[in-house]
Amino acid sequence: KQEVTQIPAALSVPEGENLVLNCSFTDSAIYNLQWFRQDPGKGLTSLLLIQSSQREQTSGRLNASLDKSSGRSTLYIAASQPGDSATYLCAVNAGTGRRALTFGSGTRLQVQP
Amino acid sequence: NAGVTQTPKFQVLKTGQSMTLQCAQDMNHNSMYWYRQDPGMGLRLIYYSASEGTTDKGEVPNGYNVSRLNKREFSLRLESAAPSQTSVYFCASSELIYNEQFFGPGTRLTVL
Repeated sequence: KQEVTQIPAALSVPEGENLVLNCSFTDSAIYNLQWFRQDPGKGLTSLLLIQSSQREQTSGRLNASLDKSSGRSTLYIAASQPGDSATYLCAVNAGTGRRALTFGSGTRLQVQP
Repeated sequence: NAGVTQTPKFQVLKTGQSMTLQCAQDMNHNSMYWYRQDPGMGLRLIYYSASEGTTDKGEVPNGYNVSRLNKREFSLRLESAAPSQTSVYFCASSELIYNEQFFGPGTRLTVL
């Protein structure tokens, strides 16, 4: 049974800081890992998708890494801005099966101006 | 492109009532999903449809039924709503079962 854990559950940083969000998963048999952003009362916005064969993906100020063998992924946010304040979710995709996409509980990020 | 759309945005039901949540995507995706999001439980998969004509149970299917009406539309039905089904429901789609998923804005459902 796949379990996904995100640490920390909440994080508050001053504007301009670089920060790292962590995601760990228990079963390394995954197709890919996806990072999402969720604003309060809104849907999920896909940020980055890393295939199981990849080590990292970059989009603008975001960089996500994947170490499948150790069951870990990190999301690095450079030069944080107040507009980055949101909940960040990671999810692992094991393809077919009852838990095709398993989510972590998220990290709630607050960037202080 | 609208992406993934869901109706209604909000709904209040009484215990025992039925309703259908509608989802449509305009990205020509093959796979579609229904999730529920609850505080402290995260997002959990209810049902998914890997391709038109197929549906499969997810982690929490009890109390729900789904219909893949065509390639664009995937509906979720609550036959007899219960307070435990109070949640935010999200529909998502992807090109194939193991591709990037795109989410709709959600339906906030309250069952009294």
